[in-house]
Amino acid sequence: DVKVTQSSRYLVKRTGEKVFLECVQDMDHENMFWYRQDPGLGLRLIYFSYDVKMKEKGDIPEGYSVSREKKERFSLILESASTNQTSMYLCASRSGQLAGGSYNEQFFGPGTRLTVL
Amino acid sequence: GNSVTQMEGPVTLSEEAFLTINCTYTATGYPSLFWYVQYPGEGLQLLLKATKADDKGSNKGFEATYRKETTSFHLEKGSVQVSDSAVYFCALIEFGGYNKLIFGAGTRLAVHP
Repeated sequence: DVKVTQSSRYLVKRTGEKVFLECVQDMDHENMFWYRQDPGLGLRLIYFSYDVKMKEKGDIPEGYSVSREKKERFSLILESASTNQTSMYLCASRSGQLAGGSYNEQFFGPGTRLTVL
Repeated sequence: GNSVTQMEGPVTLSEEAFLTINCTYTATGYPSLFWYVQYPGEGLQLLLKATKADDKGSNKGFEATYRKETTSFHLEKGSVQVSDSAVYFCALIEFGGYNKLIFGAGTRLAVHP
């Protein structure tokens, strides 16, 4: 069974703390993604990575950074957490290059619900 | 840019009722279209997909047809069950560049016995 795991299901942090969210996939996927999910807004892409040590900004990268030192692991970092970063964070992974309009299914982790007080 | 619009929820139905969740999209070119489902406490999982006009995706009794003329991909099920209670997301993939998925806002479905 394919699997994307996230280090915590629930996390409570204080304003100004540095927060690390970890994601691990066991499918040898090249592409990994971090989204945040908020009611009425759907999923918004924060950052993604298409290879080790490579990263690209998504739609809402402000206040976040990422790290991908190993293929299976993609970390999301909140350098100084703020209350407006309280949200559900979802990690996803997907296999490599697409060709001819084909699509490789994107697999999601269970999510981390982060509360910043 | 490309976007996806879904009907607002929540949608509340009785068991065995007919379900329709509307989804329309704006895209340049010919995107592929998807429905993802998120059950309580879980991540998203792919429910069905369609890759070209007039394709019908189907899975677990759910269906959606890719309608290019109306830029729509409405989700339907003939008889819902309590276990179908979840949040449903319509999405498209923007080919070219990094092939990013673009999601709608999600529609919560609650099915009562």
